[in-house]
Amino acid sequence: AQSVSQHNHHVILSEAASLELGCNYSYGGTVNLFWYVQYPGQHLQLLLKYFSGDPLVKGIKGFEAEFIKSKFSFNLRKPSVQWSDTAEYFCAVLTGGGNKLTFGTGTQLKVEL
Amino acid sequence: EAQVTQNPRYLITVTGKKLTVTCSQNMNHEYMSWYRQDPGLGLRQIYYSMNVEVTDKGDVPEGYKVSRKEKRNFPLILESPSPNQTSLYFCASSSARGPLGTQYFGPGTRLLVL
Repeated sequence: AQSVSQHNHHVILSEAASLELGCNYSYGGTVNLFWYVQYPGQHLQLLLKYFSGDPLVKGIKGFEAEFIKSKFSFNLRKPSVQWSDTAEYFCAVLTGGGNKLTFGTGTQLKVEL
Repeated sequence: EAQVTQNPRYLITVTGKKLTVTCSQNMNHEYMSWYRQDPGLGLRQIYYSMNVEVTDKGDVPEGYKVSRKEKRNFPLILESPSPNQTSLYFCASSSARGPLGTQYFGPGTRLLVL
């Protein structure tokens, strides 16, 4: 079965700092990759997703992620974070032909003013 | 407004007392799913449904049941709740592409089993 690892459980940054959250998965075949975000008190919502093509994917609110197949990684990045980016971020993987998503354990991001 | 609704939002119950958490979506989505969220464990899928009368186990189905008699509804049933089912539960739905599509999540149901 596939698994998803998010090694950074808690991240604290100052506003305007750059962000990179790690996501690694364990599956050698075709994958579809997602990043979801959960703002305090809100529903989970999709930030971005990768299916095929350009491995650099741009999402909402200035986020992007890069799929590196050789490293089994799909790291999330943002050049300059804002206080409003404080949230929990989840990476998720759907393997080829699968019907279920496997989520990582999440990374709690706190952005300080 | 397109949305996924869950009821109740908060529930305190006792061990062994059967309960149902309802989930409804108004987007005509075929794929629906239940997750539980626990600190340090992220979201884990309980059950999913590709369409009416088609359900399948996720990663943590033990102690749960589901049914999908209508497209819009996907209730989660705990026949005999136990304290280890204390958790935050999310329902989600997505389009005909199943989990490839964007999943829309409900607001969550916080369950405490005493």
